[in-house]
Amino acid sequence: EVQLVESGGGLVKPGGSLSLTCAASGFSFGSYLMTWVRQAPGKALEAVSTINTGSTYIYYADSVRGRFTISRDDDKNSLSLHMNSLRHDDTAVYYCARQHRSRNLDVWGQGTTVTVSS
Amino acid sequence: DIQLTQTPSSVSASVGDKVTITCRASEGIYSWLAWYQQKPGKAPNVLIYAVTYLQTGVPSRFSGSGYGTNFTLTINNLQSEDFATYFCQQGNSFPVTFGGGTKVELK
Repeated sequence: EVQLVESGGGLVKPGGSLSLTCAASGFSFGSYLMTWVRQAPGKALEAVSTINTGSTYIYYADSVRGRFTISRDDDKNSLSLHMNSLRHDDTAVYYCARQHRSRNLDVWGQGTTVTVSS
Repeated sequence: DIQLTQTPSSVSASVGDKVTITCRASEGIYSWLAWYQQKPGKAPNVLIYAVTYLQTGVPSRFSGSGYGTNFTLTINNLQSEDFATYFCQQGNSFPVTFGGGTKVELK
């Protein structure tokens, strides 16, 4: 079964750090672009960061550039998002998603919740 | 970044109705457009990709059309399980971006 499972979310104070992990299974992880998408409560979806195959191209949304770092370990079928200097407006459900060659996100994890609050 | 404007932001409908949702891109995206359905507390699920192609398992009452900057998702014969929020997404250029969403509610 093709599956993505996120972990690492939680409650953190403003200015704090958190690392999210996405474990992939059931497909050739190293062959796909991967994206972290977040959704603040009641809001639309926002692509936070994308990493291509081979990690030669990385994209960050302006809202997180310089604070978040995406990485992948193809040997461990794992995607990570390291988040520093967290702010209230980073509060959201964070999903990892696989990008299909048709450029849609065809497999999503169940999401992990990040709450930034003092 | 390419902006996607979805209309309406919400629609009230009854079972059996036809619902149409539009998505307008701020610049041309060819046919790199997908539609997603999201239910409360769940991750989005892709319904349609490349404007018109139904994801495996998606009922044929869902259909998409359009090209360039103007796109439409149509739900014929609305069923109870279709009450949800729908998002469009462009994949023409990085970053992928999403529309603001359309909530389909029971009238």
